[in-house]
Amino acid sequence: DTAVSQTPKYLVTQMGNDKSIKCEQNLGHDTMYWYKQDSKKFLKIMFSYNNKELIINETVPNRFSPKSPDKAHLNLHINSLELGDSAVYFCASSQDRGWRMSTGELFFGEGSRLTVL
Amino acid sequence: ILNVEQSPQSLHVQEGDSTNFTCSFPSSNFYALHWYRWETAKSPEALFVMTLNGDEKKKGRISATLNTKEGYSYLYIKGSQPEDSATYLCAPPGAGGTSYGKLTFGQGTILTVHP
Repeated sequence: DTAVSQTPKYLVTQMGNDKSIKCEQNLGHDTMYWYKQDSKKFLKIMFSYNNKELIINETVPNRFSPKSPDKAHLNLHINSLELGDSAVYFCASSQDRGWRMSTGELFFGEGSRLTVL
Repeated sequence: ILNVEQSPQSLHVQEGDSTNFTCSFPSSNFYALHWYRWETAKSPEALFVMTLNGDEKKKGRISATLNTKEGYSYLYIKGSQPEDSATYLCAPPGAGGTSYGKLTFGQGTILTVHP
């Protein structure tokens, strides 16, 4: 039973389209994240939600909008896709005693490889 | 901006060798230091979360130490095996303000263990 699952794993789409990546965790964690693996293979934080509340919103284009219907789900919707959006997107979750202290280890999904043509 | 540096960038060792690599980070406003192992085509997996100066943690042949005063952590692998081949990432959280709760990952050390 996968702890953090993302769908789809692969997504190939045309520039200008709108797409979503879904993430679900069954660990009972309070905090969920979206990370982007950039062209240099760095993992960069995009968003973080704690109990459905947006906590971290890094400098990402407005075309990226996260949605958390409940604390077990964090979906990423991307409007008007651009070539530069091609990347691997990782969802993760954690449980912190106090989430601001970042002492809970992150559990990552397997990643969703987005290719924009 | 939190600067995290890992060295070396890549490392090739023979099976059975012991090895270590470094994660450097700003020492001010320290909260925690995470180490992750990231195998090719998989997702990162947590190895350690370290919070106290002088912390030393161990998991099998892998261990880590932490010096928060000088801002570095070492990861050691004893008797490397081919299955240890992976990218090892370290991540301290942000130093405060809107950086709370945000892990900033280093670029990683790519370890290759040759049989």
